[in-house]
Amino acid sequence: DAGVIQSPRHEVTEMGQEVTLRCKPISGHDYLFWYRQTMMRGLELLIYFNNNVPIDDSGMPEDRFSAKMPNASFSTLKIQPSEPRDSAVYFCASSPSGGASGQYFGPGTRLLVL
Amino acid sequence: GESVGLHLPTLSVQEGDNSIINCAYSNSASDYFIWYKQESGKGPQFIIDIRSNMDKRQGQRVTVLLNKTVKHLSLQIAATQPGDSAVYFCAETIQGAQKLVFGQGTRLTINP
Repeated sequence: DAGVIQSPRHEVTEMGQEVTLRCKPISGHDYLFWYRQTMMRGLELLIYFNNNVPIDDSGMPEDRFSAKMPNASFSTLKIQPSEPRDSAVYFCASSPSGGASGQYFGPGTRLLVL
Repeated sequence: GESVGLHLPTLSVQEGDNSIINCAYSNSASDYFIWYKQESGKGPQFIIDIRSNMDKRQGQRVTVLLNKTVKHLSLQIAATQPGDSAVYFCAETIQGAQKLVFGQGTRLTINP
């Protein structure tokens, strides 16, 4: 199993530009999570999906952030327009159905907004 | 167990020694706990979990202890190796829920 796949691994962009982060969860996992990690705030849950449906987006910072999951094998997190304070490592994680049985994280996307 | 903080607590141990990493969780209703290991440049990796109906669970070289009375969780790593150097996070949730709340993490450094 390849595990959770994220792309790109690194992204450098300028303030105001649109950023799209991509994630492929582990096959067969029904839950997909997007997290953000910074030194100041640690690891924060942004949004999670169950069977491609967004369940809880209370962690999404503001309207500039949006996430979609068009099918079971793909999700995107979009920031438009990006700001320097969005600089962070963004992780995608997936887990199988049946309760909180442990989430499997991808390698992350390191985003730097100049 | 709110995921905040400017500076990570740090623990340094000699290679071969045992290490104990502690975590205080916040929600008395939490009944499922997980320890994650995060190496530099990588995502958190599942190590071991424990449910609230247990107070101890053992894995390979790792043991998790749960004290619900004082809302305290610990991770014991036996005979530490250089590869154990990482940041360790505890996470809590309510069974049946999917949302994990992560602690601030502890940086473990293994000295040769």
